[in-house]
Order: sequence, then structure tokens, then C-alpha cells
Amino acid sequence: GAVVSQHPSWVICKSGTSVKIECRSLDFQATTMFWYRQFPKQSLMLMATSNEGSKATYEQGVEKDKFLINHASLTLSTLTVTSAHPEDSSFYICSATPGLASDEQYFGPGTRLTVT
Amino acid sequence: GQNIDQPTEMTATEGAIVQINCTYQTSGFNGLFWYQQHAGEAPTFLSYNVLDGLEEKGRFSSFLSRSKGYSYLLLKELQMKDSASYLCAGMDSNYQLIWGAGTKLIIKP
Repeated sequence: GAVVSQHPSWVICKSGTSVKIECRSLDFQATTMFWYRQFPKQSLMLMATSNEGSKATYEQGVEKDKFLINHASLTLSTLTVTSAHPEDSSFYICSATPGLASDEQYFGPGTRLTVT
Repeated sequence: GQNIDQPTEMTATEGAIVQINCTYQTSGFNGLFWYQQHAGEAPTFLSYNVLDGLEEKGRFSSFLSRSKGYSYLLLKELQMKDSASYLCAGMDSNYQLIWGAGTKLIIKP
């Protein structure tokens, strides 16, 4: 089956610093990648949709200058949380689809970010 | 607006059957997904329905009624490892997933 990896799996950083999270599709080329955020006991919240080689489409309320997304290749997308604050502490999950947006999304294992 | 409703929490007994309901309102419709999510882990795909009816896959089955905007996930022969949150998600006309808050399923011995 299709495998998506994320790195790191967890990270602790100090307020004001930046953190980069990588999402890789290991055995398929991901035309589209999605970035989600999930707070405890809440559902997944879509942050942005990115297509290889083009700018990401951000959901309403998500600051594109704070959450930088780069989808440089068909197997790698990165999310950089800039100037992180404690309220950015969350579970960040990426997913990827190999074809049309209607295909099943394959999820990465998630990255737990704690900002102190 | 778009909305997905599902119960917050359900409790069932090991070996029994449980049905988790989901109602949806989306702008256009391109299918209904069910995902399983264990605590601290990412969701894993369970099922996809785009036509009316029941799709059976081992111990898990999923049903869809488009006219009623309704779906359910049926879990048979419950095992302790089935304790997890079950997420219902509808796909709208833009192929965007609209997620429910999830149903936490507690299995008791």
C-alpha cells in the first residue's frame, strides 16, 4: 500500500523559533498533498492544499506567512511553522494523493509539536 | 454551510456489534469516507461510499443514503483493538474533505 512518512514525529521548540516538518510519499508520486492540524479531542482541520510546483492554497484563517508550505517535488512537501508560539502546539498531519483529488488520501503518522 | 454530525462517544462490549451514524451536509457530493484513528496516531482509511447501499469489508461495513445525507459504519465481532475514534468525512464538489469531530468508541470486556 501507499506509505507516507513524516519527520520529525515529535518536536519541542522554544517560542519564537521556527520548525520544519517534512512529509514524504515513499512509494508513489503525490500530485497533491494536504496539511492538517488537530487539537486534542477535536477533528482534523485542513490548513492547506499543495500541488507540486505551485503555491499552496490555504484555508480561511490560516496565515500563509506563518505556515510556509513548499511542495518542491512529487514526493516531498514541507511545512515550516515560523516564529512558533505556544498556541501553535498541536498534532500536524500530512496526507497525500497519487492522482486526482478524489483519490483516497494516505496519511502520514503525524508530528506532535510542543512550543514552550 | 457544510457540516458533518456524528456522536461524540459510544460504548460497546467485546464481541458485540456497534453502528456509528453520520449525517452530512456538503456543497456537492463526491463520496463519504470513514477513517479510524487511535489516540496519538494519524487516521487510517476504512471505507469509501459514493453510491447508495452497503459496502462490506470483513468485520467492517459502511452504508450510504445520499437522499437522506446519511451514512453509518457497522463494526461486528468487536475486539479490544477496535477502541479508537472513528472519523466520518464527506467530500464536496471541490474534492475537499469535510471532517466530523469523530466518535470515540470504547470497548469493554
